[in-house]
Amino acid sequence: NAGVTQTPKFQVLKTGQSMTLQCAQDMNHEYMSWYRQDPGMGLRLIHYSVGAGITDQGEVPNGYNVSRSTTEDFPLRLLSAAPSQTSVYFCASSYQREGQETQYFGPGTRLLVL
Amino acid sequence: QQQVKQSPQSLIVQKGGISIINCAYENTAFDYFPWYQQFPGKGPALLIAIRPDVSEKKEGRFTISFNKSAKQFSLHIMDSQPGDSATYFCAGVGAGNTPLVFGKGTRLSVIA
Repeated sequence: NAGVTQTPKFQVLKTGQSMTLQCAQDMNHEYMSWYRQDPGMGLRLIHYSVGAGITDQGEVPNGYNVSRSTTEDFPLRLLSAAPSQTSVYFCASSYQREGQETQYFGPGTRLLVL
Repeated sequence: QQQVKQSPQSLIVQKGGISIINCAYENTAFDYFPWYQQFPGKGPALLIAIRPDVSEKKEGRFTISFNKSAKQFSLHIMDSQPGDSATYFCAGVGAGNTPLVFGKGTRLSVIA
């Protein structure tokens, strides 16, 4: 299994540009989520999905869109990039088994918005 | 957003010493408390986890102590090694499909 894969690894955008961060998992996990990580702020949840066709907002959803058309894929769209969206983005997937949950994180996408 | 408060923000420990990271939570519906370890340039990975029906869980040099009445839990790293240098995140999650709530992380440096 490849686990959770993210592309691209690194991206530079200009203010106002749009782009999609890709995330895929091959573990048949129902639950997927997107986090951003900034120094001193920890991992902040952007959006999450409990299954195909179902998405919900996390702590910091503004400026981002998601969709979940398949179990495997959960892309994150930046509609109009802003310098405040410069961050490292992590996608994660998980299963819940017997009341426990283990999140598997991808390697991250480093985004710089100029 | 129900918070998980983590301290300290950074920690420097001598090789062979004990590293202690503390977390406190607010949401009494949390029933699973994992710790994640993140090395530079990598995604976080599950290190160890505990459920509130036990007060302690040990895996090798890593131990979680849990105090349900105080709503606090901590990670102890015994015989800390330079290879343990990483950022550690505590988290809490409730039953069902509610998302994990992470603490802000502790950057641990183990020096020789």
